[in-house]
Amino acid sequence: AQKITQTQPGMFVQEKEAVTLDCTYDTSDPSYGLFWYKQPSSGEMIFLIYQGSYDQQNATEGRYSLNFQKARKSANLVISASQLGDSAMYFCAMRLAYSGGGADGLTFGKGTHLIIQP
Amino acid sequence: NAGVTQTPKFQVLKTGQSMTLQCAQDMNHEYMSWYRQDPGMGLRLIHYSVGAGITDQGEVPNGYNVSRSTTEDFPLRLLSAAPSQTSVYFCASSYGRGWGDTQYFGPGTRLTVL
Repeated sequence: AQKITQTQPGMFVQEKEAVTLDCTYDTSDPSYGLFWYKQPSSGEMIFLIYQGSYDQQNATEGRYSLNFQKARKSANLVISASQLGDSAMYFCAMRLAYSGGGADGLTFGKGTHLIIQP
Repeated sequence: NAGVTQTPKFQVLKTGQSMTLQCAQDMNHEYMSWYRQDPGMGLRLIHYSVGAGITDQGEVPNGYNVSRSTTEDFPLRLLSAAPSQTSVYFCASSYGRGWGDTQYFGPGTRLTVL
């Protein structure tokens, strides 16, 4: 079964520093998508960035980039020049090709609580 | 576009009561799903639908029913609420079921069962 592991329950970072949030995944499927979501204190889930298993280049979206190391099965989120508004929970998630038996949709990690300090 | 909308935002039920959480999307997405989020955990899939008239169970389906009569709407029904169903519920939609299809989430419903 697929699994996402986020090993950093919480992180404190100074404003304007770069942040790396760790995510490792486990699947034997060759086709998968990796996603990062942000959940601020208001509670909504905001999509940040996507990386496909066959993508050769690391994904980037503004200040967000995904450091994809396929051989190590890691998909770390990098936030450049952090801002106070980046304080939130961050979830790494994976989606596989459908295989039946309830294993559909996104599989989530437990999240990392990021706090940006002024 | 409103994206994915959910009502209500908050709900308190007594054990044994039933209710329906509403979810609608205006992006013409075929795939819709319900997740629950419990403290200290990521989201877990309850039920999903790949199109109108087609639904299936996810990881934690017990105690919940769904139906999908239109592309836009995907309500989640709690048949007889239990304290273990206290959680935050998210509805999400995506263009399709593919591993590359991004799921977009509604704002969530915080449910408390007493």
